[in-house]
Amino acid sequence: EIVLTQSPGTLSLSPGERATLSCRASQSIISNYLAWYQQKPGQAPRLLIFGASSRATGIPDRFSGSGSGTDFTLTINRLEPEDFAVYYCQQYGYTPLTFGQGTKLEIK
Amino acid sequence: EVQLVESGGGLVQPGRSLRLSCAGSGFSFNDYAMHWVRQAPGKGLEWVAGISWNSGKTDYTDPVKGRFTISRDNAKNSLYLQMNSLRPEDTALYFCAKDVISLGFYYFDNWGQGTLVTVSS
Repeated sequence: EIVLTQSPGTLSLSPGERATLSCRASQSIISNYLAWYQQKPGQAPRLLIFGASSRATGIPDRFSGSGSGTDFTLTINRLEPEDFAVYYCQQYGYTPLTFGQGTKLEIK
Repeated sequence: EVQLVESGGGLVQPGRSLRLSCAGSGFSFNDYAMHWVRQAPGKGLEWVAGISWNSGKTDYTDPVKGRFTISRDNAKNSLYLQMNSLRPEDTALYFCAKDVISLGFYYFDNWGQGTLVTVSS
């Protein structure tokens, strides 16, 4: 099973700043099969990024993904108030599909 | 608009069974693999099970193997999760999620709002 470790656990920033979230895999993920999701309280997760760097439909371009192998990053430029949420990475190179434990992005 | 609506959750005693359902609409249900993902209270996301478009491929996370069975009825645009021998650690919000492909298991572009399963005596 591929273990995904996200850091930091909590990130405190202000609107307008840049957020950098990390996801590290216990082994290399084939074909960069990594996705990112945003989840707000009481809501279902929302797909942001797939294939490590491709934005899902309707996702603003302030969200970007990068990385390969075992190290992946989600960057959110110019934070908006609605961006404060929990973010999860998920690998789909192997089953069982696995998620990271999440990074909570909170308002400073 | 894609819609996924889960049902069947509730309070159940340890060792008992429960069957969850998910009704899909707004897309061609039989063209996509489908999944169940759960989230324990205050915790992260955990993939539970997946099923290919034609039910030819299924897979499960280890903690539920032998106890849970995923199935689908494409004629009814419905996904199911039969949960037997339930344990307190199965307590979670169970989401139905749509895959982006038909045969393999990839990522999830649409999610339901979830149905809550509580296992307690």
